[in-house]
Amino acid sequence: GQQLNQSPQSMFIQEGEDVSMNCTSSSIFNTWLWYKQDPGEGPVLLIALYKAGELTSNGRLTAQFGITRKDSFLNISASIPSDVGIYFCAGQKRSDYGQNFVFGPGTRLSVLP
Amino acid sequence: DAMVIQNPRYQVTQFGKPVTLSCSQTLNHNVMYWYQQKSSQAPKLLFHYYDKDFNNEADTPDNFQSRRPNTSFCFLDIRSPGLGDAAMYLCATSKGGIANEKLFFGSGTQLSVL
Repeated sequence: GQQLNQSPQSMFIQEGEDVSMNCTSSSIFNTWLWYKQDPGEGPVLLIALYKAGELTSNGRLTAQFGITRKDSFLNISASIPSDVGIYFCAGQKRSDYGQNFVFGPGTRLSVLP
Repeated sequence: DAMVIQNPRYQVTQFGKPVTLSCSQTLNHNVMYWYQQKSSQAPKLLFHYYDKDFNNEADTPDNFQSRRPNTSFCFLDIRSPGLGDAAMYLCATSKGGIANEKLFFGSGTQLSVL
């Protein structure tokens, strides 16, 4: 089946540092979504990308839709303690009926004060 | 302002005792999904409804059923919960049938099986 890979699996950074993570696939996707999940909560949508090469920002977060349509990147600038959590990417291929979203395994981010 | 609402947040049930989890949405979205998530793994799709049409994933156990009585509500029924069914259950919605889709999640229901 379709699979997404995320790297790194986990990362520990100092507060104030920038963070970069990515999501790759062997398949082409039409949509990339990035989520953050806090413990015991549902994933919260951060950024949605719909065009190859698209670069979109949401505050300190910036995400890009890869040119090949098989990858996406998420950058967080000047990290703060509340950035701690698990970041999931999700890709979508449109189908005629319903919408299938495929999720990556997540990148666990820890921010050290 | 919650748009996808799940109740309860925490549910404890006994081994083999049927349990129902509920989800409602104020987005008027056509598609509603149920995901199972264990130990901070990726959410795993169980099934989804596109309007009234039910779409089951091939590897979803028969123990899991769903109902969507109207656009706003969707239920997850676990007929005979086993210990392995303890997990976070996430409801999500999307508009359906549009190019620029977004998937919105509820806060989840954490299910414990004793």
